[in-house]
Amino acid sequence: KNQVEQSPQSLIILEGKNCTLQCNYTVSPFSNLRWYKQDTGRGPVSLTIMTFSENTKSNGRYTATLDADTKQSSLHITASQLSDSASYICVVSDRSNTGKLIFGQGTTLQVKP
Amino acid sequence: NAGVTQTPKFQVLKTGQSMTLQCAQDMNHEYMSWYRQDPGMGLRLIHYSVGAGITDQGEVPNGYNVSRSTTEDFPLRLLSAAPSQTSVYFCASRPRRKPYNEQFFGPGTRLTVL
Repeated sequence: KNQVEQSPQSLIILEGKNCTLQCNYTVSPFSNLRWYKQDTGRGPVSLTIMTFSENTKSNGRYTATLDADTKQSSLHITASQLSDSASYICVVSDRSNTGKLIFGQGTTLQVKP
Repeated sequence: NAGVTQTPKFQVLKTGQSMTLQCAQDMNHEYMSWYRQDPGMGLRLIHYSVGAGITDQGEVPNGYNVSRSTTEDFPLRLLSAAPSQTSVYFCASRPRRKPYNEQFFGPGTRLTVL
């Protein structure tokens, strides 16, 4: 069964600190992996998208890594800010004609001053 | 571009009532989808459309209907609301072209069924 598992479920860090969120998937055949940020009361917004041939992609203070062999991805946030408080969702797309998306349950990050 | 818009933002219904959640996009995207988001769960696909006149069921379609008469609009109809349909509903759209098919989400509709 195609699944996306994220850990931890929630995380609290102090402003300025770094953190890493994890995503493991069993989706096959794999097409691409996306990380979304979802602020409270808003829709998800794309941070990064990676295909199997890409193992690192950055978007400002966000850096995503992908290991297609172990089917793992991580999202590293550097020098966290209060505005980073949100849910982070890992989404994997398969290679079907419609590119079906399988969503993880998300990691809720709270950045405290 | 307004992107993906949804109305209403909030709605309270009584069990058995019907309503339509509106979704529109101005990016000329072929694909549009409806998801529901419940606490502790990932977004789940309700229905999707790959173009005007074409719709298909997703993971949790029961109790919902959709239609796609134009590229821009993709309304979601609740036929007879039930408390189990209390959720946050997101509409999304993306282009058909490869390779990334980046998906854009609307702001969501928070629905409560009493």
